[in-house]
Amino acid sequence: DGGITQSPKYLFRKEGQNVTLSCEQNLNHDAMYWYRQDPGQGLRLIYYSQIVNDFQKGDIAEGYSVSREKKESFPLTVTSAQKNPTAFYLCASSISPGGYGYTFGSGTRLTVV
Amino acid sequence: SQQGEEDPQALSIQEGENATMNCSYKTSINNLQWYRQNSGRGLVHLILIRSNEREKHSGRLRVTLDTSKKSSSLLITASRAADTASYFCATDKFQGAQKLVFGQGTRLTINP
Repeated sequence: DGGITQSPKYLFRKEGQNVTLSCEQNLNHDAMYWYRQDPGQGLRLIYYSQIVNDFQKGDIAEGYSVSREKKESFPLTVTSAQKNPTAFYLCASSISPGGYGYTFGSGTRLTVV
Repeated sequence: SQQGEEDPQALSIQEGENATMNCSYKTSINNLQWYRQNSGRGLVHLILIRSNEREKHSGRLRVTLDTSKKSSSLLITASRAADTASYFCATDKFQGAQKLVFGQGTRLTINP
């Protein structure tokens, strides 16, 4: 079955550590997205990529980095520069940018310990 | 900044009743989409309505779009306990970067 896989489901980070969240899709979608969701809140866009080897900052990119070396993969690194990283992170993809529904992964819950 | 704003923030109704949620947005759009999120899960795409459409149906879902008022509504008819979830609208700006901007969501509770 086609879909998006996010791993791990739960992740714990120590202060000052970088951590990488995985997002893999087998839908042959061109566009991929990372969103952050805080409790009781909507989604805020971190980064997005419309094509391989290209990505753009979203509304809250500071303290995060991404890469898009393969069409199927769009990993997100939460760096030590992100001062409040505890949140629910959602990865999504769409067939192409604009005009299509997104398919979401099941999310990664990141907690700073 | 949030493009879509849902209203109400929370809604609690009895099973079998209809649920209506509203969404307002600020700029011109290409399309507007509605998503459902069960607690602690990813979002599921429900329906997409384009800026030149006024109404769309999918099963028990009915979505309307009024571009003159920059608003949309999602109606769920004959609600079921399984409809309990958060519902989000998302907009794709016209001539803007092609990415969805989500509202804060409406938390819907269906009481048995």
